[in-house]
Amino acid sequence: SQTIHQWPATLVQPVGSPLSLECTVEGTSNPNLYWYRQAAGRGLQLLFYSVGIGQISSEVPQNLSASRPQDRQFILSSKKLLLSDSGFYLCAWSVGGNGGYTFGSGTRLTVV
Amino acid sequence: RKEVEQDPGPFNVPEGATVAFNCTYSNSASQSFFWYRQDCRKEPKLLMSVYSSGNEDGRFTAQLNRASQYISLLIRDSKLSDSATYLCVVMGQAGTALIFGKGTTLSVSS
Repeated sequence: SQTIHQWPATLVQPVGSPLSLECTVEGTSNPNLYWYRQAAGRGLQLLFYSVGIGQISSEVPQNLSASRPQDRQFILSSKKLLLSDSGFYLCAWSVGGNGGYTFGSGTRLTVV
Repeated sequence: RKEVEQDPGPFNVPEGATVAFNCTYSNSASQSFFWYRQDCRKEPKLLMSVYSSGNEDGRFTAQLNRASQYISLLIRDSKLSDSATYLCVVMGQAGTALIFGKGTTLSVSS
């Protein structure tokens, strides 16, 4: 069966520090991968999506970036965190274009 | 107009009640629709897809009205365990990613 892993579960980082969040998927090949962020009191915001290795589409201009070095690995990064980067970061995968997504358990990031 | 709009609630209902949530979406070309459930501080989980003919899964019934660009979720015989936030979800304009509403909060009390 397919599983998705995200880590860490929680993270507290100072302003200006770098960030790297990793997401891996098991049990499927060539998944579509997504990074969403849910800020306090707000809905899920799509940050990046990828339909294949090295293919990244950005939805919101910001100081975050994403990479997909392997088929089942999706990484979210920042060189310098801002206070506004705090939130609940969720990785998701899907196969095909019109199905629902399966989410990882998320990383709760607090920038202080 | 926001892409997906929901009444945030909260909806406070007693056990056994029937409750309905509504949602509107802006992209008339959208082809895929879903309801997700999100428990406090947890990831969203797919509750059910929404089909044009309407569909039912146990106590849950979803309806789609394409002409009005409106989606609904009906929960019958509410249980305490139904307390959560329910997210209305629509495939985005580019057809590449799902767009989530901000959610409707349901609290079921005994």
